[in-house]
Amino acid sequence: EDKVVQSPLSLVVHEGDTVTLNCSYEVTNFRSLLWYKQEKKAPTFLFMLTSSGIEKKSGRLSSILDKKELSSILNITATQTGDSAIYLCAVEAGNAGNMLTFGGGTRLMVKP
Amino acid sequence: GAVVSQHPSRVICKSGTSVKIECRSLDFQATTMFWYRQFPKKSLMLMATSNEGSKATYEQGVEKDKFLINHASLTLSTLTVTSAHPEDSSFYICSARGSNYGYTFGSGTRLTVV
Repeated sequence: EDKVVQSPLSLVVHEGDTVTLNCSYEVTNFRSLLWYKQEKKAPTFLFMLTSSGIEKKSGRLSSILDKKELSSILNITATQTGDSAIYLCAVEAGNAGNMLTFGGGTRLMVKP
Repeated sequence: GAVVSQHPSRVICKSGTSVKIECRSLDFQATTMFWYRQFPKKSLMLMATSNEGSKATYEQGVEKDKFLINHASLTLSTLTVTSAHPEDSSFYICSARGSNYGYTFGSGTRLTVV
């Protein structure tokens, strides 16, 4: 059974801090790993990672995949209160009818 | 870009009634659609996967007779919660995947059964 685990479960930081969120996985036929940010409604896409060691960056957010360690990290630098959200990691795996298996999410709260 | 429309966004229904939620891909053909359920402060749990024109594949523990999924066309999938009970109250989200697109999520439906 495919499994995706995120840590920490929740995190409280102050504005300006840097945070690192972790995602580890055990899946059959890995295809990609995706990061999403969820505030009040549906998740919004952040990154899709398929290759190990290549950092993807968008503003203050960056992410990298380590296929050897079966994990990924999501970094947020100079956090702002608007970064407060649940961050979801999902892994796409399988041969036919590829599905996403979601981790439990990390709830980030950024205090002013 | 790919857009998925889900409605209603919010619905309140009486216990014992049925509720239908629609998920439409607006500008692409969705070969596969996924239905998720989310409990408060929890991650998304996959309920079922549907491919156009075939029966949905349900995840373990999801009652297929209670959560009816229909994927009648390449742009529309529906989830019907039958004989709804208060414990079915939740946030339901669909996701569509086309041949040239990644996963695109609908905006979700908050169901409250009273």
